Amino acid sequence: KNEVEQSPQNLTAQEGEFITINCSYSVGISALHWLQQHPGGGIVSLFMLSSGKKKHGRLIATINIQEKHSSLHITASHPRDSAVYICAVSGDSGGSNYKLTFGKGTLLTVNP
Amino acid sequence: KAGVTQTPRYLIKTRGQQVTLSCSPISGHRSVSWYQQTPGQGLQFLFEYFSETQRNKGNFPGRFSGRQFSNSRSEMNVSTLELGDSALYLCASSLELDYYEQYFGPGTRLTVT
Repeated sequence: KNEVEQSPQNLTAQEGEFITINCSYSVGISALHWLQQHPGGGIVSLFMLSSGKKKHGRLIATINIQEKHSSLHITASHPRDSAVYICAVSGDSGGSNYKLTFGKGTLLTVNP
Repeated sequence: KAGVTQTPRYLIKTRGQQVTLSCSPISGHRSVSWYQQTPGQGLQFLFEYFSETQRNKGNFPGRFSGRQFSNSRSEMNVSTLELGDSALYLCASSLELDYYEQYFGPGTRLTVT
């Protein structure tokens, strides 16, 4: 079983829809990261959080430490949001305190 | 501020050769991490350097090695290349170790034939 599980693996939405991507993890963490990767490979860090909720523009990330679960929400989705969204955790994972452990990613396609 | 830069961006090598990839972190960042991304395994942690010392290492064979220089620039080396080493190699820098946002470079796409 992967330490970080994401769902869904693939998501297709119509422009304007509200989108939720989920991430569950099974290990103790110091922080959880949401990353965005566009075709071509470049990765952008969207959020790093260890508790509560963060908002940046149309993006909202929440984390529930007790449930070991995080969600990434996109409001009023737009075709430019089409990308792979990756959840990653840092902390005490497999004996290493600092490395990131990644989920497999969620491929989001937003159609106009 | 300039972002993280990686060179070269693309590389083709043959089995058995070795390769060195370079990463220049954002100015002032002292921690550099390396990751391998493949379609099958996704993103995997290779190693992390801080103050010229390897602080953490992922589950990769000894053919994968790296180092960090006094200016925080980092290199990773893969010896005796195998077909399975074909991947996108990403480096990321952060201000300090742990609990700091990581900034990723564009990656080096390595193809081993």
